Amino acid sequence: AQRVTQPEKLLSVFKGAPVELKCNYSYSGSPELFWYVQYSRQRLQLLLRHISRESIKGFTADLNKGETSFHLKKPFAQEEDSAMYYCASNGGSQGNLIFGKGTKLSVKP
Amino acid sequence: NAGVTQTPKFRVLKTGQSMTLLCAQDMNHEYMYWYRQDPGMGLRLIHYSVGEGTTAKGEVPDGYNVSRLKKQNFLLGLESAAPSQTSVYFCASSPGTGGFYEQYFGPGTRLTVT
Repeated sequence: AQRVTQPEKLLSVFKGAPVELKCNYSYSGSPELFWYVQYSRQRLQLLLRHISRESIKGFTADLNKGETSFHLKKPFAQEEDSAMYYCASNGGSQGNLIFGKGTKLSVKP
Repeated sequence: NAGVTQTPKFRVLKTGQSMTLLCAQDMNHEYMYWYRQDPGMGLRLIHYSVGEGTTAKGEVPDGYNVSRLKKQNFLLGLESAAPSQTSVYFCASSPGTGGFYEQYFGPGTRLTVT
């Protein structure tokens, strides 16, 4: 079965520090990767997708096919970045996305 | 567009009771999904549908049933609720395959089974 791994359940940083949330995928086909964000008690929202190569809210993510990784990065964390972050990949047997278990980012003042 | 909506937002059930959660989308998406979200478990796929009249099992389908009689609606049923089904339930939809994998999520339903 295809898998998306987010090794950190919780990541705690201070405001202004760099942030990297790790994500590894197993899909061996043509990968399509996403990062979703969920603020407290809200719905999941798409943060960015590797196809668009956009930078949203200062976050970027680069697809590394050699390492099968799609790590999310931000050079200077803000308190409002505190949220749950989910990495997702295509590769589901019926065209569905596969989600990682999520990383809770806590940015301290 | 309202996007993806879910009703109800909150519900408390007693063990053994039944209920149906409704998901509606107005984006003409082919695919619809039901997930449950539990602490430390992330999002787990319960059931999904690749089109009107079709449903399929996901990762954790036991104790749930679904129906997709209309393209815009995807219903999740609990026939005999159990405390283990206490969770937050999210519905999502997506345009389909062929590179259109982005999923759009509803606001969630918080269900407590006592």
